[in-house]
Amino acid sequence: DIQMTQSPSSLSASVGDRVTITCRASQSISSYLNWYQQKPGKAPKLLIYAASSLQSGVPSRFSGSGSGTDFTLTISSLQPEDFATYYCQQSHTTPNTFGQGTKLEIK
Amino acid sequence: EVQLVESGGGLVQPGGSLRLSCAASGFTFSSYAMSWVRQAPGKGLEWVSAITGSGGRTFYADSVKGRFTISRDNSKNTLNLQMNSLRAEDTATYFCAKESTAGGPGSFDYWGQGTLVTVSS
Repeated sequence: DIQMTQSPSSLSASVGDRVTITCRASQSISSYLNWYQQKPGKAPKLLIYAASSLQSGVPSRFSGSGSGTDFTLTISSLQPEDFATYYCQQSHTTPNTFGQGTKLEIK
Repeated sequence: EVQLVESGGGLVQPGGSLRLSCAASGFTFSSYAMSWVRQAPGKGLEWVSAITGSGGRTFYADSVKGRFTISRDNSKNTLNLQMNSLRAEDTATYFCAKESTAGGPGSFDYWGQGTLVTVSS
């Protein structure tokens, strides 16, 4: 199975900050990398697919980059509604494994 | 509007069985692969199983292989997960998820609200 490792596991930041979350795959997954946002008690929401494509309706302050094994999610200017947990997920091979999550908290 | 509504969760004893269902609407159900993803209390997301749009191919995580069976009824726009030989570690909220239109297989653009399965004596 492909292992997905996110860093950091948690992050404190302020409104307006630029934030970057990293995801590393245990083997090359080309650009088959997705990012989700999850708020407590809610289902995950797709933000980015294919490493860098913005899902319809998602604000442009979210962006993704990377290919192969190393990927990043960047939020250019944090808004109050962005404080949540973020997961990367590979869709290259089943099982479609997720990273362990990055909890983004208010500083 | 796409809607996914899970049902069938509840409390079950270890070794017992449970059948989850997901009622889909707002899209051409048979055109999309569907998956089940679970989340143990306070933990991360775990992909469980997937099925192609036609139902001809199925995929499972090693942790549930041989115990869970995914199926779909395209005439009723329903996705199912039959869970047998349940263990305490299967306790989780189970989400059904639709294959992303733009992102393709293995990425999910719509999710249900989840149904909680608790395995305990």
